[in-house]
Amino acid sequence: GEDVEQSLFLSVREGDSSVINCTYTDSSSTYLYWYKQEPGAGLQLLTYIFSNMDMKQDQRLTVLLNKKDKHLSLRIADTQTGDSAIYFCAENGGATNKLIFGTGTLLAVQP
Amino acid sequence: DVKVTQSSRYLVKRTGEKVFLECVQDMDHENMFWYRQDPGLGLRLIYFSYDVKMKEKGDIPEGYSVSREKKERFSLILESASTNQTSMYLCASSTPGTDLYEQYFGPGTRLTVT
Repeated sequence: GEDVEQSLFLSVREGDSSVINCTYTDSSSTYLYWYKQEPGAGLQLLTYIFSNMDMKQDQRLTVLLNKKDKHLSLRIADTQTGDSAIYFCAENGGATNKLIFGTGTLLAVQP
Repeated sequence: DVKVTQSSRYLVKRTGEKVFLECVQDMDHENMFWYRQDPGLGLRLIYFSYDVKMKEKGDIPEGYSVSREKKERFSLILESASTNQTSMYLCASSTPGTDLYEQYFGPGTRLTVT
């Protein structure tokens, strides 16, 4: 079945880089996503990568995709306290309207 | 700007009560979803709807039902609330008009069943 796994918690110091990892199972996914959930709020799409790409850079964010290992990562450069949130990776399981979300990684940024 | 609103931010109900959670979106989206969010379990899909009066079960539909009488509104119903339904409930919407399938989320309803 479909399953998306993430580590539950990551703590970094302000100014360091953060790397959040995710493994997924459905190789037919056309897009893979990173959503961000700030305290007390719903999820918002942070960035995404098309499945035929290896890397996508968007300002401080770098997404790496290893399709062979079904591994997705999100790197946040120069992490700020405002980056403290829960980060969810998600896949769309082969062009369906449904998304399958991971367990979420709580990123805590220490000043 | 897409807006998804949920009727309550916090709700406290007693075991056995019938509970209605309402969700409204203002972007004319065809797809609407209900999830529950629990620590360590991530988001789990309860029900979704591709159109008015249409519904499909997600991964954990037991103990829940839904209603979609109008395109903009999707209701989640707990027929007889139980303590194991204490959770954060998130509503989302999307349109099939793009390949991206981006979902837009409401702020969530934290439900406590005592």
